Amino acid sequence: DADVTQTPRNRITKTGKRIMLECSQTKGHDRMYWYRQDPGLGLRLIYYSFDVKDINKGEISDGYSVSRQAQAKFSLSLESAIPNQTALYFCATSRGVPQPQHFGDGTRLSIL
Amino acid sequence: QKEVEQNSGPLSVPEGAIASLNCTYSDRGSQSFFWYRQYSGKSPELIMFIYSNGDKEDGRFTAQLNKASQYVSLLIRDSQPSDSATYLCAVNNNAGNMLTFGGGTRLMVKP
Repeated sequence: DADVTQTPRNRITKTGKRIMLECSQTKGHDRMYWYRQDPGLGLRLIYYSFDVKDINKGEISDGYSVSRQAQAKFSLSLESAIPNQTALYFCATSRGVPQPQHFGDGTRLSIL
Repeated sequence: QKEVEQNSGPLSVPEGAIASLNCTYSDRGSQSFFWYRQYSGKSPELIMFIYSNGDKEDGRFTAQLNKASQYVSLLIRDSQPSDSATYLCAVNNNAGNMLTFGGGTRLMVKP
């Protein structure tokens, strides 16, 4: 079944470390998104990409960077992790507006 | 003012009852609207989407959209304990480029 796969599923690391979260999809969708979810704050958009050459900042991009290595791969990096980046991170894909977004299983990231 | 508002709940309903979840949005130009269900610690799962004013039914779920009043609702008939989850309302922005999510309503269905 077509899928959105995130790795790792869980990660515990220390302040100041560089971290990469990876997302790959077999849905054939052009659009990919990174969100973080914090209790009480809902899902907030970090970055999004409409194709390999198109990268856009979302609502909360500070402290994050992304790379779209291929149509099917979209990675999120935290250059120097800080504790308030502890959250649940989701990758999502879509065909485009007005089609819905489909989410990966998420990465639970804890920064000590 | 948040762009997409939902009552955080919890909304508690007895098994077999109708659960009514509401969402209001501020961008009058929004065109497409989505309801996602999210179990604790899991990813959001699409339940329904609606683009036109009126009702859209899918099994036990009905989405209702009123663009003039800028609200969208989700009705769950014959609620089951397995429906207990957080329900997220999402609205596309005026440019159609991205979704804005509400904070979610936690639904509890009691046996």
